[in-house]
Amino acid sequence: QKEVEQDPGPLSVPEGAIVSLNCTYSNSAFQYFMWYRQYSRKGPELLMYTYSSGNKEDGRFTAQVDKSSKYISLFIRDSQPSDSATYLCAMSEGTSYDKVIFGPGTSLSVIP
Amino acid sequence: SQTIHQWPATLVQPVGSPLSLECTVEGTSNPNLYWYRQAAGRGLQLLFYSVGIGQISSEVPQNLSASRPQDRQFILSSKKLLLSDSGFYLCAQLDRESEKLFFGSGTQLSVL
Repeated sequence: QKEVEQDPGPLSVPEGAIVSLNCTYSNSAFQYFMWYRQYSRKGPELLMYTYSSGNKEDGRFTAQVDKSSKYISLFIRDSQPSDSATYLCAMSEGTSYDKVIFGPGTSLSVIP
Repeated sequence: SQTIHQWPATLVQPVGSPLSLECTVEGTSNPNLYWYRQAAGRGLQLLFYSVGIGQISSEVPQNLSASRPQDRQFILSSKKLLLSDSGFYLCAQLDRESEKLFFGSGTQLSVL
């Protein structure tokens, strides 16, 4: 089993739809959880960051963490064509600086 | 705020040629620095990380090496490139206070 698994996509939705992106993980020591957005041929951009179970909201984005189920999600409300990108989940234990583990990414297309 | 400079943005090299990719950071001191590689359609693979000058840890044995000659400079090298070295190379810096990982803009390397 891979340490971090992510719905591979690609995912295609109409503009204005609610998007749900998901990751599962196996290491119960993970404490920090991140979502990155990556446009083609660009470096990943940090979107959301949380270190606790529950929901965190930032504008149209909501990150959800369920440590008991080892499951994290990113919700995008009122999706826009500019949200079309690859979304990467990432997580770390926080005690070892080298171990930020990434999921393989989900490709999202928002159709106008 | 920190800034990460990576160059070049695109590089085409023949098999067997040497490689040197440079990453420099601004706005921080004694950063943790990382080299990641992203193959087409795949997640981020950690190659090297460094917690200080001259301190390099390798995650995956391969044809590449890294060096950190200065506090804010991280270099990825190869003496002889292989076809399998093609990919998108990303330099990253960890903010130690927040545990957030920030990326440079990346170098697309094609070995032909």
